[in-house]
Amino acid sequence: DGGITQSPKYLFRKEGQNVTLSCEQNLNHDAMYWYRQDPGQGLRLIYYSQIVNDFQKGDIAEGYSVSREKKESFPLTVTSAQKNPTAFYLCASSIGRAENTEAFFGQGTRLTVV
Amino acid sequence: DQQVKQNSPSLSVQEGRISILNCDYTNSMFDYFLWYKKYPAEGPTFLISISSIKDKNEDGRFTVFLNKSAKHLSLHIVPSQPGDSAVYFCAASAYFGNQFYFGTGTSLTVIP
Repeated sequence: DGGITQSPKYLFRKEGQNVTLSCEQNLNHDAMYWYRQDPGQGLRLIYYSQIVNDFQKGDIAEGYSVSREKKESFPLTVTSAQKNPTAFYLCASSIGRAENTEAFFGQGTRLTVV
Repeated sequence: DQQVKQNSPSLSVQEGRISILNCDYTNSMFDYFLWYKKYPAEGPTFLISISSIKDKNEDGRFTVFLNKSAKHLSLHIVPSQPGDSAVYFCAASAYFGNQFYFGTGTSLTVIP
């Protein structure tokens, strides 16, 4: 049963702590993406990766870091430098470049920083 | 700078009637457009797409129309059902593009 798995679904952290969100896909997709959703702001791109060991900053990369050591995995670390980390985070993948294809999304992780 | 815009944050429609969701874009390099449906606390699910070589694509109750000269696309849902109540996102990508660009979403409520 192919798909994208994000874990955990809900995550609570204290202010000043780094936290890592997991994203795993078994679709054999080359490209993976991290988006952030805030009320009224749609989906904003944090980072994306077209191939293993390569990734690019999106529109709101400050305060975040990623790695792509395996094709299946694209974890996102929310660092203490991120000024407003409380949000709904979505991971997605596509078969290749974002042209003439669709992105498949995971179920999301709701991060709350207290 | 928002390259994909959905200017209506919300829309209410009676069950059985047509729902029309609109989307505008500014980047003339976009050549592939998608609509996603999203329920609260879940990831978006792909609904329908259209390539710039077409002006219409239909899939069951869902039809997407593309007007390239106006840089405008719309999603028609006929007939609307209560289960269609969700947030709908419009998205776009460019040839040789590396990312998808999303609008801010329109919350559709279908009233039984």
